[in-house]
Amino acid sequence: DQQVKQNSPSLSVQEGRISILNCDYTNSMFDYFLWYKKYPAEGPTFLISISSIKDKNEDGRFTVFLNKSAKHLSLHIVPSQPGDSAVYFCAASADTGNQFYFGTGTSLTVIP
Amino acid sequence: DAGVIQSPRHEVTEMGQEVTLRCKPISGHNSLFWYRQTMMRGLELLIYFNNNVPIDDSGMPEDRFSAKMPNASFSTLKIQPSEPRDSAVYFCASMRGNQPQHFGDGTRLSIL
Repeated sequence: DQQVKQNSPSLSVQEGRISILNCDYTNSMFDYFLWYKKYPAEGPTFLISISSIKDKNEDGRFTVFLNKSAKHLSLHIVPSQPGDSAVYFCAASADTGNQFYFGTGTSLTVIP
Repeated sequence: DAGVIQSPRHEVTEMGQEVTLRCKPISGHNSLFWYRQTMMRGLELLIYFNNNVPIDDSGMPEDRFSAKMPNASFSTLKIQPSEPRDSAVYFCASMRGNQPQHFGDGTRLSIL
């Protein structure tokens, strides 16, 4: 059973607008969350992370928000750029040194 | 610094044949993970190693799958005998301590 869910398989956004990618999880023991970005024919690359002691983490155009009570996190990209077009995976762990559970990914297309 | 190196990048073989996927983790990384990516389930963790020791192989689909890590710089994932439903992209990732995982570019496996 999927413990990390990304219910939107795809998303299209105009260049310059905000992209919001969502992720839900079921395991209340998860305390560390990451977003990875994946281009075709390449492996996922780490983008941004957040631990459960925070509700927001920002890195340039990328911000991750965590709502522990709702077991929900989101990735905001603003402004969106065509180079952001990729598949984004959400991942969670109950121990930062332990295994990670990944969602099924959301394919983002930023339209010029 | 070289990233995680996987070989081969592509493998096409007939059902029933043995398949061996290879991974060289980043030097100094003490954890290694094998994932399988499918459309339906996203990135599934198959097995992971800490300091060359298998920690959790509960994600390995069945006895046809086996993985080894004979030393800190090499791991293999073997499927014997292979079946068409094993067709997927297989990723290897490595990690040091609590840092995010670094992924290889994957092996695209097609079983005819």
